Amino acid sequence: QVQLVQSGTEVKKPGASVRVSCKTSGYTFAAYSLNWVRQAPGQGPEWMGRINPNSGGTNYAQKFQGRVTMTRDTSINTAYMELKRLRSDDTAVYYCARSDYDFSFFDYWGPGTLVTVSS
Amino acid sequence: EIVMTQSPATLSVSPGERATLSCRASQSVSDNLVWYQQKPGQAPRFLIYGASTRATGIPARFSGSGSGTEFTLTISSLQSEDFAFYYCQQYNKWPLTFGGGTKVEIK
Repeated sequence: QVQLVQSGTEVKKPGASVRVSCKTSGYTFAAYSLNWVRQAPGQGPEWMGRINPNSGGTNYAQKFQGRVTMTRDTSINTAYMELKRLRSDDTAVYYCARSDYDFSFFDYWGPGTLVTVSS
Repeated sequence: EIVMTQSPATLSVSPGERATLSCRASQSVSDNLVWYQQKPGQAPRFLIYGASTRATGIPARFSGSGSGTEFTLTISSLQSEDFAFYYCQQYNKWPLTFGGGTKVEIK
């Protein structure tokens, strides 16, 4: 069965960086896009960007351009999201979520990684 | 970017009753609209895509309709496990955007 397993809770200080991992199994890693979606407390989800695991190509939401980097390691079917220059309003649960290349809705989600940014 | 607006913010419904949730797009998204259900502490669950097609394993009491800018999610007879948050998302244009959600609570 399809599974996305994420790394654990992070606590960071403002200005620091965080890297979250998403290990996938149960499907062909290169056959689907891998997206990152975050959800601040009490808010709706917010799409951050996606990576094509086959080519490594990325699309980022303009809001995160310059601060986010999405990468992947095809040898271990794992995707990564790094967010730099963290601010308090980056405190959120960060999810990885799978989508088709042509239709960008999310059929499988990871459990989420809580990132808290606090001095 | 396309702004998705959901209403109402909270819907109070008795078990067994019908719930109707709305989602409006700031510009046409054709039928490129998906609905998710989310319970506290959990990831969203994929319910409906293409505005009206249920995902695998989703009960028939969930139905979606609409196109263009106006969409509706209907839960025909609420079960206890249906009390949750519901979000719509458009995938017609980048960036992908979500609505602010509707909380369906027990009346």
